Amino acid sequence: DSGVTQTPKHLITATGQRVTLRCSPRSGDLSVYWYQQSLDQGLQFLIQYYNGEERAKGNILERFSAQQFPDLHSELNLSSLELGDSALYFCASSTTPGLSNEQYFGPGTRLTVT
Amino acid sequence: QKEVEQDPGPLSVPEGAIVSLNCTYSNSAFQYFMWYRQYSRKGPELLMYTYSSGNKEDGRFTAQVDKSSKYISLFIRDSQPSDSATYLCAMSGGSNYKLTFGKGTLLTVNP
Repeated sequence: DSGVTQTPKHLITATGQRVTLRCSPRSGDLSVYWYQQSLDQGLQFLIQYYNGEERAKGNILERFSAQQFPDLHSELNLSSLELGDSALYFCASSTTPGLSNEQYFGPGTRLTVT
Repeated sequence: QKEVEQDPGPLSVPEGAIVSLNCTYSNSAFQYFMWYRQYSRKGPELLMYTYSSGNKEDGRFTAQVDKSSKYISLFIRDSQPSDSATYLCAMSGGSNYKLTFGKGTLLTVNP
């Protein structure tokens, strides 16, 4: 158990809908990263937050957004869902980037868009 | 050219064999190198973490980084059926700390 929690484990929804994925980092970790894993693209970085502020963006679609709250948990919002958004979404956390970049992953949320 | 290249396998070995997994990369800014193990549909589990060049050993696992060749390796000694999983290399560096992953190598250790 990495100490990173993610909910829900599974989500099945229809095209055009909106969903919210939640992540709680390990105790003491200030940085949260979101990744998407699909069969063809592998693990791809989406976005990073550090202590409530956005730090880096990857190839995140405009339909996707995220935030990190004062208690350090993070939410990834996916809207206007398309079939191609079906994937595993992982959250990872680390302490302070630069001091240590060991990232610990949660169990993931499996999103199925029908 | 992709930033990180990893042979997807699959790789099948008998129990007790030494396994060698490798990645090459093109971005010379990478300084942090990691190996993750991922069981089917589970979250990646951090196995080894190395900063810059050199070797690191942890039990049956040894990670090597050769920055001059842009080549990293993971060796598994005395492989066990429980080692059967997908192994992902990951690296980061430069101005942000996002991880760039290889596609993963599927390993099967046969009893």
